[in-house]
Amino acid sequence: QQQVKQSPQSLIVQKGGIPIINCAYENTAFDYFPWYQQFPGKGPALLIAIRPDVSEKKEGRFTISFNKSAKQFSLHIMDSQPGDSATYFCAARGLAGSARQLTFGSGTQLTVLP
Amino acid sequence: KAGVTQTPRYLIKTRGQQVTLSCSPISGHRSVSWYQQTPGQGLQFLFEYFSETQRNKGNFPGRFSGRQFSNSRSEMNVSTLELGDSALYLCASSLDGLNTEAFFGQGTRLTVV
Repeated sequence: QQQVKQSPQSLIVQKGGIPIINCAYENTAFDYFPWYQQFPGKGPALLIAIRPDVSEKKEGRFTISFNKSAKQFSLHIMDSQPGDSATYFCAARGLAGSARQLTFGSGTQLTVLP
Repeated sequence: KAGVTQTPRYLIKTRGQQVTLSCSPISGHRSVSWYQQTPGQGLQFLFEYFSETQRNKGNFPGRFSGRQFSNSRSEMNVSTLELGDSALYLCASSLDGLNTEAFFGQGTRLTVV
């Protein structure tokens, strides 16, 4: 019940394309859903996060869509650039007990071709 | 404002040895969490400290331990190292670890030979 399932494992798009990464969760105690971006040799960097009281959040070229009833959320990257090539992780966290730590998806390796 | 600082960045140890990793959180942050990242298992939670107390613990053997000091700096220790402990160890700091954003350091790359 603690799992966060992420897909696809890898994704290749052309510059300007809109890659979409999907995540699904089971634990209804989760109430905070961040996305992290990680470049090789670096730690994950917080990109954008959403709470279940909204269905969409935009920050620059990054958008999270959230479907509470389906327990799914996704990251869209508008006008993707080669510099966006990185590994993206979704995560989820609740407020109590074992759900309080961040539970991560397995990651998506994104390649944006020039 | 300085970010999360982890030292050392790289470590090579021999099986059976022990190792101590250090994490200095963002100033004002009182929660420090540790994660292990491997290609096979991804990012897995080790433990969280808040105000010098372990508040949450993941599913790792007792060889993995940690502590937090009064200035919120944290250390994690791995004893009797095994080859499978080779990983990137990440720490994340947040204001309270409950309802606030978590920021990661660059990690310590541990290689056990």
